[in-house]
Amino acid sequence: AQSVTQLDSQVPVFEEAPVELRCNYSSSVSVYLFWYVQYPNQGLQLLLKYLSGSTLVKGINGFEAEFNKSQTSFHLRKPSVHISDTAEYFCAVSLLWGAGGFKTIFGAGTRLFVKA
Amino acid sequence: EPEVTQTPSHQVTQMGQEVILRCVPISNHLYFYWYRQILGQKVEFLVSFYNNEISEKSEIFDDQFSVERPDGSNFTLKIRSTKLEDSAMYFCASSERGANTGELFFGEGSRLTVL
Repeated sequence: AQSVTQLDSQVPVFEEAPVELRCNYSSSVSVYLFWYVQYPNQGLQLLLKYLSGSTLVKGINGFEAEFNKSQTSFHLRKPSVHISDTAEYFCAVSLLWGAGGFKTIFGAGTRLFVKA
Repeated sequence: EPEVTQTPSHQVTQMGQEVILRCVPISNHLYFYWYRQILGQKVEFLVSFYNNEISEKSEIFDDQFSVERPDGSNFTLKIRSTKLEDSAMYFCASSERGANTGELFFGEGSRLTVL
């Protein structure tokens, strides 16, 4: 069975500091990997995705993530955070099912809180 | 840019009442999904829908829930007799046929409050 584990439920960090949000997954089949961001009282917005190819992927708002197959990880990083990055971040894996659609499984989320 | 739209954005209902949440997926998408997020908790898969039938559902999606695509554009989630624990944000999503991206496109969500 597939699962996604986000190792930190909350990450407080000072503005302009670097941050890493950790994500590990388990799957017996190939998956696609995603990070979604949810700002307060809003829906889910795609931050970045890994499909194949280069293991370092860049997303919006200066975020990047690195896929590590041997460690089954997909950690999200930003070298310098802003107050506006305060949000909930969800790691997700998406796997193909028989009829051509996808099932996406989410981690529990990590709340990033950026302090001035 | 095409987007998934959901209505209502917020609905308050009394326990035991029926609720219908509506979604308009992206027009060329053929796979549709409902997810639920109870306040402060993770986003949970409810159901996926393809070719006018449910393709997969979770254990959360019991007999109180149903989905349909009544007119070729709307995709609805019905809760027959709401319970307090149904209070949550419900997200609709859609994806393209055969797209090797695995990406779901989410709506802004419908917040359901059951009193």
